[in-house]
Amino acid sequence: KNEVEQSPQNLTAQEGEFITINCSYSVGISALHWLQQHPGGGIVSLFMLSSGKKKHGRLIATINIQEKHSSLHITASHPRDSAVYICAVQKTSYDKVIFGPGTSLSVIP
Amino acid sequence: EPEVTQTPSHQVTQMGQEVILRCVPISNHLYFYWYRQILGQKVEFLVSFYNNEISEKSEIFDDQFSVERPDGSNFTLKIRSTKLEDSAMYFCASMGTGSEAFFGQGTRLTVV
Repeated sequence: KNEVEQSPQNLTAQEGEFITINCSYSVGISALHWLQQHPGGGIVSLFMLSSGKKKHGRLIATINIQEKHSSLHITASHPRDSAVYICAVQKTSYDKVIFGPGTSLSVIP
Repeated sequence: EPEVTQTPSHQVTQMGQEVILRCVPISNHLYFYWYRQILGQKVEFLVSFYNNEISEKSEIFDDQFSVERPDGSNFTLKIRSTKLEDSAMYFCASMGTGSEAFFGQGTRLTVV
């Protein structure tokens, strides 16, 4: 069984829509990461969370440790947000990152 | 903004050849990692490195793979005799205090 699951697998949205990507995990963690991967392949770290909520620009990430669930929200989506969004967890500090399968987002003008 | 740099960005090699993938982690980081992503699949952990030794490795990281930090700045991944199934994107990452992971842009390895 995968330790990190994401939904949906693929998502198509109209420009301006509010988007939510969900992540659930089955292990105890010290941190959860949201990452972005563009078609060129490079990975960019968006957020690292251990509790609560973080906001950066139009992106908001929340985590519920008790329910082992996190969400990434994108407000006022734009075509440049089109990418694969990956949820990943660490079981302990400085541990390897365990990646989810990713959610492929396409925002249409 | 500090960054992890990887070279080359793309390498094509013949099956059976040795390849070395290079990474320059962020200068004050102490924890280093290699991951790989086969096309269409999720990113997988290969190896972690701390205090000049391997701290953990996955079952993918067999005797054909090795890592080294030869000069205090570079962190390399060597594949001794490449196979077709080694074709993938390889990512280097480093962590400092606070354990936020910084990833490089990746090296796309194509074995022909």
